[in-house]
Amino acid sequence: KNEVEQSPQNLTAQEGEFITINCSYSVGISALHWLQQHPGGGIVSLFMLSSGKKKHGRLIATINIQEKHSSLHITASHPRDSAVYICAVPSGGGADGLTFGKGTHLIIQP
Amino acid sequence: DVKVTQSSRYLVKRTGEKVFLECVQDMDHENMFWYRQDPGLGLRLIYFSYDVKMKEKGDIPEGYSVSREKKERFSLILESASTNQTSMYLCASSFIGPRPLHFGNGTRLTVT
Repeated sequence: KNEVEQSPQNLTAQEGEFITINCSYSVGISALHWLQQHPGGGIVSLFMLSSGKKKHGRLIATINIQEKHSSLHITASHPRDSAVYICAVPSGGGADGLTFGKGTHLIIQP
Repeated sequence: DVKVTQSSRYLVKRTGEKVFLECVQDMDHENMFWYRQDPGLGLRLIYFSYDVKMKEKGDIPEGYSVSREKKERFSLILESASTNQTSMYLCASSFIGPRPLHFGNGTRLTVT
C-alpha cells in the first residue's frame, strides 16, 4: 500500500508570499492528485498530474516521478487561498482507490 | 459541471440507530467512494464501488455496509451507529482509471 507524507502540516504566511507544500509517496504511481478543502468541508480537485508541471492561475504543481515527490506552489498568496491542501496517490491495490496525505493547513494573513 | 450530491449536510443520530447516507452523481461515473475524515487522520476509505452491485472494502469497513443498485447512487449504511462513528463523511465519484475525483459537500454525522 502506498504511503503519503505531506509537509508542512501547518503553514501561516503573509499575503503575497510564495508558498510551497510538499508531498512524498512510497510506491510508483500513474498520477498524483492535489486537492483543496475550504472550511465547511467541500473538496475540490486542483490538479492531477503524472509528469512535469501543471499551472492554473497562481497555482503550480510539479512532480518528480524518479524521486517520488511532488510540490504545490502558490504565487502571490492571498487570504482566499487559506484552506487545507491534500495530496493523494493511487493506493496500489489494483483498483482506483486513493491514499491521502493528512493535509497541509494553510493560513494567509492580510 | 459534475455534481455529487449528499442527502444531508448535518445529521444527529442516537447510538444503536440504523443510519443511511445517500450520494448521487450525475456524470455517469463508474467509480463511487465513501470516505470519512477525522482530525489528524485525514481521509480514509470506507468502501468503494466500480459498477452497479459491485463493492469493495476500503481501509476501515467495520461497522459499515454499502449499496449500489443504480449507477448514479451509492448509499452508506451504519447498521448500528456508535459514538466512534461521529465524523465527516464524504462521497466521491470518478471515471475508471487515473481520473479526477469529484466530491460531495460532506455529511457531518454526530452520534450521541
